[in-house]
Amino acid sequence: KNEVEQSPQNLTAQEGEFITINCSYSVGISALHWLQQHPGGGIVSLFMLSSGKKKHGRLIATINIQEKHSSLHITASHPRDSAVYICAVRGRAGSYQLTFGKGTKLSVIP
Amino acid sequence: DSGVTQTPKHLITATGQRVTLRCSPRSGDLSVYWYQQSLDQGLQFLIQYYNGEERAKGNILERFSAQQFPDLHSELNLSSLELGDSALYFCASSATRGAGELFFGEGSRLTVL
Repeated sequence: KNEVEQSPQNLTAQEGEFITINCSYSVGISALHWLQQHPGGGIVSLFMLSSGKKKHGRLIATINIQEKHSSLHITASHPRDSAVYICAVRGRAGSYQLTFGKGTKLSVIP
Repeated sequence: DSGVTQTPKHLITATGQRVTLRCSPRSGDLSVYWYQQSLDQGLQFLIQYYNGEERAKGNILERFSAQQFPDLHSELNLSSLELGDSALYFCASSATRGAGELFFGEGSRLTVL
């Protein structure tokens, strides 16, 4: 059983829709990362969270440490947001031995 | 552009062969991390180096080895290659040993035939 579970696995949205991707984890962590991977394969780090909420443009990430849950929200979605979004957690040891979720494939249709 | 450079971008080789993947971290970053992304396993952490020393080891096979050189670039050596080693190999860097933002390279796609 993967320690990091993401839902949904696949998501298709119409342009302009509000999107939520969820991540649940089962172990204590020191930080959680949201990553974006475009079809070309490159990975971009979107957020690193240890508590609360962060916002960057149309992207918002939240984390609830007590509930071991994080969400990534995309407001006013656009076709260029189409990508795989990956949640990854860093254990208390503090190293970058990240444990990854399997990713959520998002397709935004014009 | 993350500032992390990986070469080669694509590599096709045969079973039993040995390859070397190279990573240049962002200027000033002391930590380098290697990850493997395969279709069946997803992303997995392989190994971390900090300022030339191994800091953490993940699911790295004995056939694989890595090192970080004095100029901070790193190499991942994969030997006795098997079909199952076909994957995307990512390098990432960060300024510190285990905290702060992580910057990924574009990846090296290895195909073993």
